[in-house]
Amino acid sequence: SQTIHQWPATLVQPVGSPLSLECTVEGTSNPNLYWYRQAAGRGLQLLFYSIGIDQISSEVPQNLSASRPQDRQFILSSKKLLLSDSGFYLCAWRRGENEKLFFGSGTQLSVL
Amino acid sequence: GQQLNQSPQSMFIQEGEDVSMNCTSSSIFNTWLWYKQDPGEGPVLLIALYKAGELTSNGRLTAQFGITRKDSFLNISASIPSDVGIYFCAGLNTGGFKTIFGAGTRLFVKA
Repeated sequence: SQTIHQWPATLVQPVGSPLSLECTVEGTSNPNLYWYRQAAGRGLQLLFYSIGIDQISSEVPQNLSASRPQDRQFILSSKKLLLSDSGFYLCAWRRGENEKLFFGSGTQLSVL
Repeated sequence: GQQLNQSPQSMFIQEGEDVSMNCTSSSIFNTWLWYKQDPGEGPVLLIALYKAGELTSNGRLTAQFGITRKDSFLNISASIPSDVGIYFCAGLNTGGFKTIFGAGTRLFVKA
């Protein structure tokens, strides 16, 4: 069966510090991978998606970047965090087009 | 771009009551999905609908794919306190890489 791992669960970082959130998927190959952000009590905002290694599409201009160095690994990064980067970050995967999306457990990021 | 209008935005109900929420779109989707998100967790898939007119149940949950393919609803019967959370509808199309999400319905259940 397929599983998705996302870590850390909680992160508190000072403004201006770097960020690296990691997500890995097991039990499948060549998944579509996604990063979403959710502000408190709000909906899901798509940040990045990837359909293959080193293939990244950005949905919203921002202070963040994403990379996919391996087939089942998706990384969300920032060189210098802003206060506005605080939020709940969710990684998700699916097998391919028109397939169901499955989410990780999320990372609560607080930038202080 | 495609958008989903999900309503109501929030619901406050008494334990044991039935709940109904829906999603509408100005464009057609080939698949409708319903998710539930508990506080501090990632959304979990509840029901997937693949065919116009399809009615699918999962325990006390029932969802339908609208005939026009532009809407879907989710019903929860005999609500219980653990039904509390945010319910998201989502739509996707063949050939698309993005799943379109509604803004969510926040459900509060009073015991």
